[in-house]
Amino acid sequence: NAGVTQTPKFQVLKTGQSMTLQCAQDMNHNSMYWYRQDPGMGLRLIYYSASEGTTDKGEVPNGYNVSRLNKREFSLRLESAAPSQTSVYFCASSDFSSRGETQYFGPGTRLLVL
Amino acid sequence: GNSVTQMEGPVTLSEEAFLTINCTYTATGYPSLFWYVQYPGEGLQLLLKATKADDKGSNKGFEATYRKETTSFHLEKGSVQVSDSAVYFCALSPLNQAGTALIFGKGTTLSVSS
Repeated sequence: NAGVTQTPKFQVLKTGQSMTLQCAQDMNHNSMYWYRQDPGMGLRLIYYSASEGTTDKGEVPNGYNVSRLNKREFSLRLESAAPSQTSVYFCASSDFSSRGETQYFGPGTRLLVL
Repeated sequence: GNSVTQMEGPVTLSEEAFLTINCTYTATGYPSLFWYVQYPGEGLQLLLKATKADDKGSNKGFEATYRKETTSFHLEKGSVQVSDSAVYFCALSPLNQAGTALIFGKGTTLSVSS
């Protein structure tokens, strides 16, 4: 049981390049999320998928697109990378029970855009 | 709107000292409250949570009580260790339903020296 996995761990891009960040979870969770973490800003939600087949914008969606490929996988795409997208990206998934919702995070992808 | 405010760090303590990290929130309704911990170079791990007023979450010697009257969820530990050095995030889930993204505070860095 690997939990939430993310690839790649590190990436350096040039301005204008595109890339896709991959995320997968093996906990059979319905909901998945993409956050970015910047110094002094905490974590901010980019996009989320409440269930398979649905996606919604979060607080900072501009410059990103997502795909919920199936229940396990949720990818984040940067079509034309910009230096402002230099950040650490975290994927999370969640389960919901009578005791509320708990999110589980992946190890993160560190992205540098030059 | 919904928001979380944490005390700014860094917090620097000696081993075996008492720890308090303040967290207050603004939310409509009855949110769930969380503390996450991030060790250097890693993703976020759930430390503890509370889903209703007066609930106390606890884990690894850390405790936090959901105080609706003061809209607070302060993190405490009686005797910190060097291994507790990390960044601590307070977060809330504004709706008690599936597929609800978390709202994070900006994080508090704790440094414990021997």
